Amino acid sequence: DGGITQSPKYLFRKEGQNVTLSCEQNLNHDAMYWYRQDPGQGLRLIYYSQIVNDFQKGDIAEGYSVSREKKESFPLTVTSAQKNPTAFYLCASRGDRAGANVLTFGAGSRLTVL
Amino acid sequence: AQRVTQPEKLLSVFKGAPVELKCNYSYSGSPELFWYVQYSRQRLQLLLRHISRESIKGFTADLNKGETSFHLKKPFAQEEDSAMYYCALSARTDSWGKLQFGAGTQVVVTP
Repeated sequence: DGGITQSPKYLFRKEGQNVTLSCEQNLNHDAMYWYRQDPGQGLRLIYYSQIVNDFQKGDIAEGYSVSREKKESFPLTVTSAQKNPTAFYLCASRGDRAGANVLTFGAGSRLTVL
Repeated sequence: AQRVTQPEKLLSVFKGAPVELKCNYSYSGSPELFWYVQYSRQRLQLLLRHISRESIKGFTADLNKGETSFHLKKPFAQEEDSAMYYCALSARTDSWGKLQFGAGTQVVVTP
């Protein structure tokens, strides 16, 4: 079953703890993205990566970190510095370098800070 | 800077009635416009994009550069059209493929 797998689906965290959200894809896509989805605000870009070992900050990168050690994997760490981490997080990938810019999304991870 | 505005948070229509979701954008360059849809308990997925000029599930959208709009239309709404719809923009010159999303419009189709 090809696609993007995000885990965990639900995650609860105490304030002050770092958590890492997993994103794995078997689509052989080069580019990967993390978005945050909040009601009434749509999706906002956190980080993105076009190739292994390279990534760029998006619009709301503060309090987050990522790594891209493998093409298939793009984990997101929500650090204790993120002031409002409770949200729904979406991972996406894009395989068309020619610029179709069509993203494939994962099912998402819902993080709740207690 | 790129910006996408969807003025309606919620759109409630009756089955069989026309539905139009508004999307306006601001971008000085040449944009690529998309509509993504998220059905209940499903993943966010592409509905259509302006460069394809196609109709998907009865929906169409025309890019109006003069009015900087990309409204989504369907002449006869169905109950299965109930979903969250997002308009998104990408710069054609952006090799990173970043998308700027609007806030979304929740569509509810009642029988």
